[in-house]
Amino acid sequence: KAGVTQTPRYLIKTRGQQVTLSCSPISGHRSVSWYQQTPGQGLQFLFEYFSETQRNKGNFPGRFSGRQFSNSRSEMNVSTLELGDSALYLCASSGTTHEKLFFGSGTQLSVL
Amino acid sequence: KNEVEQSPQNLTAQEGEFITINCSYSVGISALHWLQQHPGGGIVSLFMLSSGKKKHGRLIATINIQEKHSSLHITASHPRDSAVYICAVNGGDGGATNKLIFGTGTLLAVQP
Repeated sequence: KAGVTQTPRYLIKTRGQQVTLSCSPISGHRSVSWYQQTPGQGLQFLFEYFSETQRNKGNFPGRFSGRQFSNSRSEMNVSTLELGDSALYLCASSGTTHEKLFFGSGTQLSVL
Repeated sequence: KNEVEQSPQNLTAQEGEFITINCSYSVGISALHWLQQHPGGGIVSLFMLSSGKKKHGRLIATINIQEKHSSLHITASHPRDSAVYICAVNGGDGGATNKLIFGTGTLLAVQP
């Protein structure tokens, strides 16, 4: 079984631009959650999607959004990028919830 | 005060030693995860538990719901165990979600 795939692996953007990150979960998994990791704040929950519905959202501004498609693939979008958005963005999938999470390798976003 | 506290923050051990990493939390939870992160970013889920004890190879995880405390033990530690170990909890907000609250991690270095 293929693991969780995140693309792209690295991304460099400038302030004010927008970015879209992609996450393909393990086949059959319906839950996809997104997390941000920075040296200062550590790991923080962004949002979770289950069967195309956003089930939970973390404490991030509205510039951060996401969606999930019928094949469970998920995208997250960050608009009007700020320097502080530089981080490793990780997604994880599970069959439902209260199951073991499988993480992707992450997308390293640098905002210049 | 963080909702999830880990100790110690840093740990250096000699190969073969028994290692314990502790996690205390202050919120109601539905499950607790132990995660391992190697340099380069990849996160692997080691355990997800809501009660009792789980064992996998040289790793043992325990949780005491009444005391809001969990421990991760590594027996016969090896240099390949060197990584950051992260405790995370599913906030018990009544819904089944993967909205995780993370500890700040324990950096473990096992010297040969």
